[in-house]
Amino acid sequence: NAGVTQTPKFQVLKTGQSMTLQCAQDMNHNSMYWYRQDPGMGLRLIYYSASEGTTDKGEVPNGYNVSRLNKREFSLRLESAAPSQTSVYFCASSELAGITDTQYFGPGTRLTVL
Amino acid sequence: AQSVTQLGSHVSVSEGALVLLRCNYSSSVPPYLFWYVQYPNQGLQLLLKYTTGATLVKGINGFEAEFKKSETSFHLTKPSAHMSDAAEYFCAVRGAGTDKLIFGTGTRLQVFP
Repeated sequence: NAGVTQTPKFQVLKTGQSMTLQCAQDMNHNSMYWYRQDPGMGLRLIYYSASEGTTDKGEVPNGYNVSRLNKREFSLRLESAAPSQTSVYFCASSELAGITDTQYFGPGTRLTVL
Repeated sequence: AQSVTQLGSHVSVSEGALVLLRCNYSSSVPPYLFWYVQYPNQGLQLLLKYTTGATLVKGINGFEAEFKKSETSFHLTKPSAHMSDAAEYFCAVRGAGTDKLIFGTGTRLQVFP
């Protein structure tokens, strides 16, 4: 039982390049989330998926797209990376959204955009 | 709308001393409150949460927090700090009936021998 896994762990991009961050969970959770963490700003929600087949914008969705590929996987895509997207990205999952359920976090992807 | 304020971005204590990390929230609906811990180069893990019922909540690793509605606070405490408690701590709020968890900016706890 690996919990929430993220790939890659580290990535360096040049401005304008694209990439996809992968996230998978093996806990049979319905809901999945993407956050970014920046110094002094805590975690901010980018997108979330309350269930397979649905996605919704969070607090900072601009410049990102997501795909809920199936119940296990939720990917985050940067179409044209910008230096402002340099951050640590965390994926999380929970059994259900909208109630008091606990979110379980992956180890993070550290992204640098030059 | 919900928001969280964590007072003090850095807190330093000696090993064996009381740990107190402050969190105040704002919520227009009954709040659900959480404390998460992040060890270096790791993801976040849940320490404890308040949903309904008893206002004093006990979590893992000897931590506890008390929900005080009149003060809109949910401070995290531990009677005796251990070196292994050094980490960053995040308070978070979710309003009843909403999907989104709102995080505070975090408090980094340092523990000195």
